[in-house]
Amino acid sequence: KQEVTQIPAALSVPEGENLVLNCSFTDSAIYNLQWFRQDPGKGLTSLLLIQSSQREQTSGRLNASLDKSSGRSTLYIAASQPGDSATYLCAVKDGNKLVFGAGTILRVKS
Amino acid sequence: SAVISQKPSRDICQRGTSLTIQCQVDSQVTMMFWYRQQPGQSLTLIATANQGSEATYESGFVIDKFPISRPNLTFSTLTVSNMSPEDSSIYLCSVVVMGSDTQYFGPGTRLTVL
Repeated sequence: KQEVTQIPAALSVPEGENLVLNCSFTDSAIYNLQWFRQDPGKGLTSLLLIQSSQREQTSGRLNASLDKSSGRSTLYIAASQPGDSATYLCAVKDGNKLVFGAGTILRVKS
Repeated sequence: SAVISQKPSRDICQRGTSLTIQCQVDSQVTMMFWYRQQPGQSLTLIATANQGSEATYESGFVIDKFPISRPNLTFSTLTVSNMSPEDSSIYLCSVVVMGSDTQYFGPGTRLTVL
């Protein structure tokens, strides 16, 4: 059974700092991996999708990497801003379904 | 991308009643899913909504409790039946759009059962 773990569970940083969120998964036979953002009381916003054959994807200040063989992904956020404050969720595509981690709660202080 | 709408956005219901949640997508989709997010928890897949046939339920979820319909490619409903306070959650519709692998989520329906 696929299990996804995210570390840390919560993170508080000053504005402008670069940061890394970690995601690990137990079964490397994934189809793809997605990073999402969730604001309090809201739905999920897709940030980046990495196919199993890819190593990384970039969008603006966000960079996600994937090391499928070791079962790890990282989300790098450059020059963090207070508007980045949210819960960040990692999910792996296992068969037809997404399996989610518990998320990292990020707070960027101004 | 896809624009997904859900109705209602929130509701407060009495124990023992049922609520039907609607999901409408503005694009042709290949897959539709229903997820539950209990307070302070991550997302759990309830079922895959199959067009014109019975939904495929995950372990721990049954059709009698969570009947699902998907009459066409862009619309689905989830009913939460005979509700109890333990059903208080956010219910989210999710889709995969044709020609894409990205999975998109609706804004969610926040359900409180008293």
